[in-house]
Amino acid sequence: NAGVTQTPKFRILKIGQSMTLQCTQDMNHNYMYWYRQDPGMGLKLIYYSVGAGITDKGEVPNGYNVSRSTTEDFPLRLELAAPSQTSVYFCASSPPVSSYNSPLHFGNGTRLTVT
Amino acid sequence: DAKTTQPPSMDCAEGRAANLPCNHSTISGNEYVYWYRQIHSQGPQYIIHGLKNNETNEMASLIITEDRKSSTLILPHATLRDTAVYYCIVRVSSSGSARQLTFGSGTQLTVLP
Repeated sequence: NAGVTQTPKFRILKIGQSMTLQCTQDMNHNYMYWYRQDPGMGLKLIYYSVGAGITDKGEVPNGYNVSRSTTEDFPLRLELAAPSQTSVYFCASSPPVSSYNSPLHFGNGTRLTVT
Repeated sequence: DAKTTQPPSMDCAEGRAANLPCNHSTISGNEYVYWYRQIHSQGPQYIIHGLKNNETNEMASLIITEDRKSSTLILPHATLRDTAVYYCIVRVSSSGSARQLTFGSGTQLTVLP
């Protein structure tokens, strides 16, 4: 298993541009999450999904959109990039609710700079 | 979910045990204690979790006090590769909720040669 795969690893955007951060997992996990991490800070939850077709907002959803058309993929969309969105973005997944205390599996992140 | 308090930084000599404390005085009876770590520039890595009994796996041991208001993560023989930020998280799960984890600022553990 590859686990959680994020692409791209790095990206530089100009203000107002848009992009999609890709996340895919091959562990058949129902739950998927997007976090952002600003320099020297902990992780903040942006959006999460409990299964295909179901998404919900986390702590800091403004400026982002998500979709979950398949179990494997959970892309994060930035429509109008702003300097405040400069951050490292982590995608994570976890097993089905029947094993609710199982841990999250994280990707290695996408480093985004908006200038 | 209960809030946790961790020291911002700690040092440990290579080969010695690293003991990382965490206070979670408002923990509820159905909340688990989780530990993750984040090595520079990588995604967080799960270490261990527990409810009320002490737990041990190949990476670490987790000691939870009897009143469950605090816990200690023990890395028995720290190596330079254990230098990372360690996060202590408590959370409750239910079948109707997503399994969100709220990460604070964690403890920066530096293992010294």
